[in-house]
Amino acid sequence: GEDVEQSLFLSVREGDSSVINCTYTDSSSTYLYWYKQEPGAGLQLLTYIFSNMDMKQDQRLTVLLNKKDKHLSLRIADTQTGDSAIYFCARTPRGAGNMLTFGGGTRLMVKP
Amino acid sequence: DVKVTQSSRYLVKRTGEKVFLECVQDMDHENMFWYRQDPGLGLRLIYFSYDVKMKEKGDIPEGYSVSREKKERFSLILESASTNQTSMYLCASRRELGFTDTQYFGPGTRLTVL
Repeated sequence: GEDVEQSLFLSVREGDSSVINCTYTDSSSTYLYWYKQEPGAGLQLLTYIFSNMDMKQDQRLTVLLNKKDKHLSLRIADTQTGDSAIYFCARTPRGAGNMLTFGGGTRLMVKP
Repeated sequence: DVKVTQSSRYLVKRTGEKVFLECVQDMDHENMFWYRQDPGLGLRLIYFSYDVKMKEKGDIPEGYSVSREKKERFSLILESASTNQTSMYLCASRRELGFTDTQYFGPGTRLTVL
């Protein structure tokens, strides 16, 4: 995922907020997604945002999209140990509805 | 609940062997995908299929082929395995509707080529 970039690692304490960041280069993206991968498991869709939105909130999750800076973030409020996983940012390029381009993944470690 | 299953969780093969990775989904999805996952590189698309007997190359198809003879089954084939194909392989499926339809992933097959 060279055109979708994420930092490799984030460590937070239980109860704190986590913010996972993602930058992308292709401004033609239509949808942007956050996936979660728990150890030994496949990827699970957490949330998504359409490119004409700035923010989406879903319970403890808040997605912020800054189109000018091509920056996407996922904020997890009240982070729990069960949130420890790898989080992938992904995008769907315009005109490529079946395709997803993934970032390298951010490993979130939640300390008790 | 959508279920995507992969034939093996762990596989060890020797260089030059022919390797088959099988993926089955039970939700009548039109689209199926094979990715490989490597640390720091995220998921990279190898091939995808949008219908039976139909396939399209992804970002890294070299060294791989695929087969989709039945709608529910999508196979990834390594004709002659090499050590640089040691990786985690993930299969996914998705139905043919709008962008918000998610890809459902299998648990992955960790392949080691010696």
